[in-house]
Amino acid sequence: EVQLVESGGGLVQPGGSLRLSCAASGFIFSDYWMTWVRLVPGKGLEWVANIDQDGREMYYVDSLAGRCSISRDNAKNSVFLQMDSLRVEDSAVYYCVSGMVELDFWGQGALVTVSS
Amino acid sequence: DVVMTQSPLSLPVTLGQPASISCRSSQSLVYRDGNTFLNWFLQRPGQSPRRLIYKISNRDSGVPDRFRGSGSGTNFTLRISRVEAEDVGIYYCMQGTHWPPTFGQGTKVDI
Repeated sequence: EVQLVESGGGLVQPGGSLRLSCAASGFIFSDYWMTWVRLVPGKGLEWVANIDQDGREMYYVDSLAGRCSISRDNAKNSVFLQMDSLRVEDSAVYYCVSGMVELDFWGQGALVTVSS
Repeated sequence: DVVMTQSPLSLPVTLGQPASISCRSSQSLVYRDGNTFLNWFLQRPGQSPRRLIYKISNRDSGVPDRFRGSGSGTNFTLRISRVEAEDVGIYYCMQGTHWPPTFGQGTKVDI
């Protein structure tokens, strides 16, 4: 059974940083692109970033470019999202998702709240 | 970015009756290899999104056959032949043909 388990969410002040982690199991992690998608209250789903199988290609949504970094550790079946200079509008539930555009399996989500 | 427009945004349904959601894209979603990367997702209350349909009309494992995806180019539809109580939630279409991937606004389906 495929499982994606996010961690690292929480309350952070504007301008702060947060690192989300996602532990994967139930599939050959190193064979898959991995993606982060966020659910923004009142706005819906937004693709955030993704990373190729080897960790060499990364892409980011324009609103977070320069403020976040996606990485992975295939030895630990994990993917990460480092977010810096956080803004109130970055508040969302962040989902770890398998695939590049397939988005076939989703984690339970990590809540990130940016507030003073 | 490709804009995905869903309608309606709110869809009251009756158990046992059909329902339909439209999704239109601002550009054709046909990729150069001939594939059309149009997915449908359902987010039930309190749950993560779950993919129902990929590449327009392919149902995911475990998705009941009352769900049917169709369409081409810029116009797509998700149909539920007979709504059941477990079908309530927010439905999203998503395109993966053009970068970056983009989602529709979501259609809230309730009884």
